[in-house]
Amino acid sequence: DAGITQSPRHKVTETGTPVTLRCHQTENHRYMYWYRQDPGHGLRLIHYSYGVKDTDKGEVSDGYSVSRSKTEDFLLTLESATSSQTSVYFCATRLAGGETQYFGPGTRLLVL
Amino acid sequence: DQQVKQNSPSLSVQEGRISILNCDYTNSMFDYFLWYKKYPAEGPTFLISISSIKDKNEDGRFTVFLNKSAKHLSLHIVPSQPGDSAVYFCAASQLKSGGSNYKLTFGKGTLLTVNP
Repeated sequence: DAGITQSPRHKVTETGTPVTLRCHQTENHRYMYWYRQDPGHGLRLIHYSYGVKDTDKGEVSDGYSVSRSKTEDFLLTLESATSSQTSVYFCATRLAGGETQYFGPGTRLLVL
Repeated sequence: DQQVKQNSPSLSVQEGRISILNCDYTNSMFDYFLWYKKYPAEGPTFLISISSIKDKNEDGRFTVFLNKSAKHLSLHIVPSQPGDSAVYFCAASQLKSGGSNYKLTFGKGTLLTVNP
């Protein structure tokens, strides 16, 4: 367990509003990831980070941006939320040289 | 194109019996495989993994088998317990890609229900 927390845990927002989700880790893991989980799709990678200020896109990155200004924090921003972004969002971390990703508890987002 | 497939959305077994969860993959470059367990309203937790240089890895009640020629892996849980009821995700990766390119590709998950 990498001591991962996500905030908020639940959020309801309206279409067109910006939303930022935060992932915080206490284990100094180099790599951090954002996934979304939807019925019938499993876990899909949105963005990931391989170091402070180093990020890259995953398979479902459209409509999302990320930032990592500190090792321990990885932010996911929905610039203008849409109903298709209603989902459960998970953050994960990985130690440099390790193979296992460790997941946070998730954020349930509802876009009305 | 789905590179990791879990073709059974759900599986129901009796307590004490064996649970077998299956996973198929299409990308021959995958060389490391993981299973995660997920309870409702929680994040996935790592369960067990296997490298492509092995065909079996065991950890207590959990054993993962890998058949590289068939591009198939399975998770065996013996004996199954009601607390094992959860969604199980299979994931695959390319260890050789290394560093920042190392990513996991997940299947859609299988809901296991263990009945008392």
